[in-house]
Amino acid sequence: DTGVSQDPRHKITKRGQNVTFRCDPISEHNRLYWYRQTLGQGPEFLTYFQNEAQLEKSRLLSDRFSAERPKGSFSTLEIQRTEQGDSAMYLCASSPRTGTDTQYFGPGTRLTVL
Amino acid sequence: GNSVTQMEGPVTLSEEAFLTINCTYTATGYPSLFWYVQYPGEGLQLLLKATKADDKGSNKGFEATYRKETTSFHLEKGSVQVSDSAVYFCAPQAGNMLTFGGGTRLMVKP
Repeated sequence: DTGVSQDPRHKITKRGQNVTFRCDPISEHNRLYWYRQTLGQGPEFLTYFQNEAQLEKSRLLSDRFSAERPKGSFSTLEIQRTEQGDSAMYLCASSPRTGTDTQYFGPGTRLTVL
Repeated sequence: GNSVTQMEGPVTLSEEAFLTINCTYTATGYPSLFWYVQYPGEGLQLLLKATKADDKGSNKGFEATYRKETTSFHLEKGSVQVSDSAVYFCAPQAGNMLTFGGGTRLMVKP
């Protein structure tokens, strides 16, 4: 069990550029989650996948954001036309199933939009 | 929607002091309750959890009891160490989503 991994760990971009982040969940975890954490705040839920199906999306996920999990394994989160307000830590988590199962978090990708 | 209220920090304690971090929540149904911890420079880690009323979660000397009647899940430790310095997050889970509180920063001085 190598844990949840995320790439890159840090990303600096200019306003208006597109960025893409990758998350590799713990193997055999069929559920994958994305959260966003701004400085000094707790993480906020963005979206959730069960296998390749995106089953839930937060209102925080504007139309500039898109997430995919094409083969039910790794996931990508893309932000188009980045804005300074997108600067945050983007966290990925995975769990074996829903209900009481624990979500295990990756180290996060810190995005800075200049 | 769900919400969480945590005591604001920072909480500064001397080593071996008693710790309480209060957490109250509002949620639909009967959520599972979690405490996560974030050490400096590291990712979120599960500290403990409780899945039904009156359950007590415990780990590394920390404890929290699921109090349905007061919708609370207060975190306690009898004797803190410098290595416990971190940010602690309370989070109910209803369905597939964790709802995090704002976090409480704990600073333990030798």
